[in-house]
Amino acid sequence: DSGVTQTPKHLITATGQRVTLRCSPRSGDLSVYWYQQSLDQGLQFLIQYYNGEERAKGNILERFSAQQFPDLHSELNLSSLELGDSALYFCASSVEGAGADTQYFGPGTRLTVL
Amino acid sequence: GNSVTQMEGPVTLSEEAFLTINCTYTATGYPSLFWYVQYPGEGLQLLLKATKADDKGSNKGFEATYRKETTSFHLEKGSVQVSDSAVYFCALRAPTGRRALTFGSGTRLQVQP
Repeated sequence: DSGVTQTPKHLITATGQRVTLRCSPRSGDLSVYWYQQSLDQGLQFLIQYYNGEERAKGNILERFSAQQFPDLHSELNLSSLELGDSALYFCASSVEGAGADTQYFGPGTRLTVL
Repeated sequence: GNSVTQMEGPVTLSEEAFLTINCTYTATGYPSLFWYVQYPGEGLQLLLKATKADDKGSNKGFEATYRKETTSFHLEKGSVQVSDSAVYFCALRAPTGRRALTFGSGTRLQVQP
């Protein structure tokens, strides 16, 4: 158990809908990363938050957004869903800082768009 | 930009065979290097890491050495078990700038009894 929790575990929805994925980082970790794992694109970085602020963006679509709350949990919002958004979404947390390179991953949320 | 290249899978081995999964990277400076493992239906677990040249990461019988001269971080295990069947991902983290992981495509390992 990495200490990172994600809910829900599975999500099935229809095209055009909006969903919210939730992530709680390990105790003490200030940084949260979101990644998407799909068969055709592999594991891709979407976005990073650090202590409530957006720190870096990767290949995140404009239909997607995220935020990190004062208690450090994070939510990834996916809207106007398309079939191609079906994937496994992971969040990872990290302490950040010199020598603290390791990211710990949650179990993921499997999104299926029908 | 940064990139990681892994050998194509699946790799199929018999129990107790020797394992090598090749990983090479492209990055500026000295990135940190990682191997993560994903068991069926689960998330990614850190297997081992190395943060500077010539470092050897090791865990659960797996080893990988950070080779700057060949920009490689090959994963090895002397004797695999059926329970090692999983997908293995090589990843790097740049020393500066964006701190997200860049992953390779993953290598599926199947160990047969």
